[in-house]
Amino acid sequence: ILNVEQSPQSLHVQEGDSTNFTCSFPSSNFYALHWYRWETAKSPEALFVMTLNGDEKKKGRISATLNTKEGYSYLYIKGSQPEDSATYLCALSQGGKLIFGQGTELSVKP
Amino acid sequence: SQTIHQWPATLVQPVGSPLSLECTVEGTSNPNLYWYRQAAGRGLQLLFYSVGIGQISSEVPQNLSASRPQDRQFILSSKKLLLSDSGFYLCAWRPGTGLLAKNIQYFGAGTRLSVL
Repeated sequence: ILNVEQSPQSLHVQEGDSTNFTCSFPSSNFYALHWYRWETAKSPEALFVMTLNGDEKKKGRISATLNTKEGYSYLYIKGSQPEDSATYLCALSQGGKLIFGQGTELSVKP
Repeated sequence: SQTIHQWPATLVQPVGSPLSLECTVEGTSNPNLYWYRQAAGRGLQLLFYSVGIGQISSEVPQNLSASRPQDRQFILSSKKLLLSDSGFYLCAWRPGTGLLAKNIQYFGAGTRLSVL
């Protein structure tokens, strides 16, 4: 069974803090890693898809890096804002499906 | 543009009753379709996926079944609900062509199911 692990499970930060969380996955047979943001009462939305070792993606204050050899990806949020509060999910692509981690729940206090 | 519809938004059902959740996609053809469940305190667990009409892959043994009677319709069912079936159910689709590994998934709004 493929295991995708995310840490921490939850995170509470103050507005303006920068933060990061981790997604770990088996490094063999890697195809792609996805990051999604899931805000309360909304549908999960894709943030990034990364395929190559060393990939770095950026969208505004959010960025992500990928290390396929050691099997991890980091998601960074610079200068967190209350609207960044959400659950951040990573998922490993396997065949036609995605295997999701359990998510990191981020809460940003004003 | 493509849209995904999932209903109902919330459902309260007694133990032993049947279940039918429906998901439809518009604006695309031959999508890959998925049913997920988020149980309390856990991530998204893939229940079923389908690459075409009548083609269903089950990921975990359970009390639920799925069907795809039309290209853009995906139904999640149960003959007799259990307490453990309570949770949040999400339907998703992604393009069935191109580099599948990179194709992102688009999610519906979800159904909150409470089995009492």
